[in-house]
Amino acid sequence: AQTVTQSQPEMSVQEAETVTLSCTYDTSESDYYLFWYKQPPSRQMILVIRQEAYKQQNATENRFSVNFQKAAKSFSLKISDSQLGDAAMYFCAYRTRIKAAVNKLTFGGGTRVLVKP
Amino acid sequence: KAGVTQTPRYLIKTRGQQVTLSCSPISGHRSVSWYQQTPGQGLQFLFEYFSETQRNKGNFPGRFSGRQFSNSRSEMNVSTLELGDSALYLCASSPRSLRTDTQYFGPGTRLTVL
Repeated sequence: AQTVTQSQPEMSVQEAETVTLSCTYDTSESDYYLFWYKQPPSRQMILVIRQEAYKQQNATENRFSVNFQKAAKSFSLKISDSQLGDAAMYFCAYRTRIKAAVNKLTFGGGTRVLVKP
Repeated sequence: KAGVTQTPRYLIKTRGQQVTLSCSPISGHRSVSWYQQTPGQGLQFLFEYFSETQRNKGNFPGRFSGRQFSNSRSEMNVSTLELGDSALYLCASSPRSLRTDTQYFGPGTRLTVL
């Protein structure tokens, strides 16, 4: 079974600064998706960024980028130019791509990001 | 496109009762997945429905069940409620295609069991 670990329960960042969230995962599969989701206090889970394991290029979405290290099974999220609206819980998630019939996300425990003005 | 909608947003029940939660997916999405979120256990997968059939199931007791209708709307039912069932229940929809299978979440239903 796959597991996802987020070792940082909470991270604090100054507005306009950069913060990096860590995520490691364990899998024996070679093809999969990795995601970062953001859950603000309003509770709605929002997709931040997605990475396909077969792609060597790291995904980016505006101020959000990832550092995907497949051999190390590491998938960190960098938030640049942090804004007050970035304050939220961030979840790393894994989904198999080999077993197309298994449409299930396995989540890490989450990292709370605090943004100081 | 309208996002995933869940009703009701809040629910208070007592032990032993049953509850039904509803989820309407994004138009065109055929897969609906349900997750339970608690402070202690985090986010856990309950089950997935696709084309009115349960395709995957997480490690939850049989008191948790669901169904999907022909319009892809899904309901989740919990019978004989226990205090530990208090949680945020999230529903997510996805197109279920080979090219893209990202799950998009609804706002959740907060269930409190007294």
